[in-house]
Amino acid sequence: GAVVSQHPSRVICKSGTSVKIECRSLDFQATTMFWYRQFPKKSLMLMATSNEGSKATYEQGVEKDKFLINHASLTLSTLTVTSAHPEDSSFYICSASRGTRPPYNEQFFGPGTRLTVL
Amino acid sequence: GESVGLHLPTLSVQEGDNSIINCAYSNSASDYFIWYKQESGKGPQFIIDIRSNMDKRQGQRVTVLLNKTVKHLSLQIAATQPGDSAVYFCAENIKKLTGGGNKLTFGTGTQLKVEL
Repeated sequence: GAVVSQHPSRVICKSGTSVKIECRSLDFQATTMFWYRQFPKKSLMLMATSNEGSKATYEQGVEKDKFLINHASLTLSTLTVTSAHPEDSSFYICSASRGTRPPYNEQFFGPGTRLTVL
Repeated sequence: GESVGLHLPTLSVQEGDNSIINCAYSNSASDYFIWYKQESGKGPQFIIDIRSNMDKRQGQRVTVLLNKTVKHLSLQIAATQPGDSAVYFCAENIKKLTGGGNKLTFGTGTQLKVEL
């Protein structure tokens, strides 16, 4: 149980286009989903936290107009990178938390999406 | 073999030896700690966790030790195998200052290389 998927796994796009990444909890309802960004050989950096039906909370330094997050249901969250530029190229990873039993903050991670902006 | 985490990002061990990966965390208020394994091009995979009211927890071939006095966490892998080669991250759970809820803060990671 507790499987999280991401789609697409890889995406290459031209500079200026927008890219949508989906994160789904396949066998549980996720009260909270998290979006991380990871550069090569670096650690995961939390970008934002989203709760179903409410606005996402962004970490300091993350542009909310650049990285749009929608958490429309308890099993789906989307991250849209708007007007992507080469510096947005990165590995984007989502995680989902059930929040219904201890440890309430346990997160299950998706496989990641590799974004390359040309 | 033993790593110092932040200062030795790569740990090389011989197959069959025990590995010790270290992590220094920053927030004394952290109440929950997790070790993750990440293989190239994949998302983090849960290995073992520990709550702050414990100082040791054992799993299958892995042990996590927590020293709250010096804010230090370690992961011990017994009889290291080639399949253990990956980057290992510690993460600490902290309460968010704004917006409520919790978040994970990840350490810098240690690359474990298992030599045959």
